[in-house]
Amino acid sequence: DADVTQTPRNRITKTGKRIMLECSQTKGHDRMYWYRQDPGLGLRLIYYSFDVKDINKGEISDGYSVSRQAQAKFSLSLESAIPNQTALYFCATSVGQGSNEQFFGPGTRLTVL
Amino acid sequence: QKEVEQDPGPLSVPEGAIVSLNCTYSNSAFQYFMWYRQYSRKGPELLMYTYSSGNKEDGRFTAQVDKSSKYISLFIRDSQPSDSATYLCAMSVVGGFKTIFGAGTRLFVKA
Repeated sequence: DADVTQTPRNRITKTGKRIMLECSQTKGHDRMYWYRQDPGLGLRLIYYSFDVKDINKGEISDGYSVSRQAQAKFSLSLESAIPNQTALYFCATSVGQGSNEQFFGPGTRLTVL
Repeated sequence: QKEVEQDPGPLSVPEGAIVSLNCTYSNSAFQYFMWYRQYSRKGPELLMYTYSSGNKEDGRFTAQVDKSSKYISLFIRDSQPSDSATYLCAMSVVGGFKTIFGAGTRLFVKA
């Protein structure tokens, strides 16, 4: 059973469309993160949340927004998708102690045409 | 300059070879040094981590940290085709909330 799930797994959309990526976790962790992964650039942090009322921008938040609906749910929205947002998107959770080990979902492959 | 630099490869080795994967970093405040393994179409998973300097061994894997040189390594002994994956180094500071990831090195182990 997956501890961190993401939906959809794959999505193709057109420029200008609004799209939402969803993440759910059963690990009971307070901290949740959204990353995008691009070849040669690695994982870059988009947004992170320490609890339902605490949401923070990461290094590349422009063009994205998030919603923490519950401890277990963290959604990422692209209000008006553009082609350079084509990437692999990962949700992650962590306990927030020690090494801050991150537990990743399976990813969403997003293509913006 | 990126905080963490990692050669993206790809690195191709025969089965049984010793593999060396490396990263350099610029932030001397990093204290946790991690290696994640990512299989195709999967999310990264933590392979091992080291706190501060020194070596750590786990089966066929050894993680090494040299803080004076700001250089970390992951060695894989007796490499297997199942080790074929992308390996990402990652670092964080004590009490930190952000983990900085390298770009990942893609490894192929040929049977």
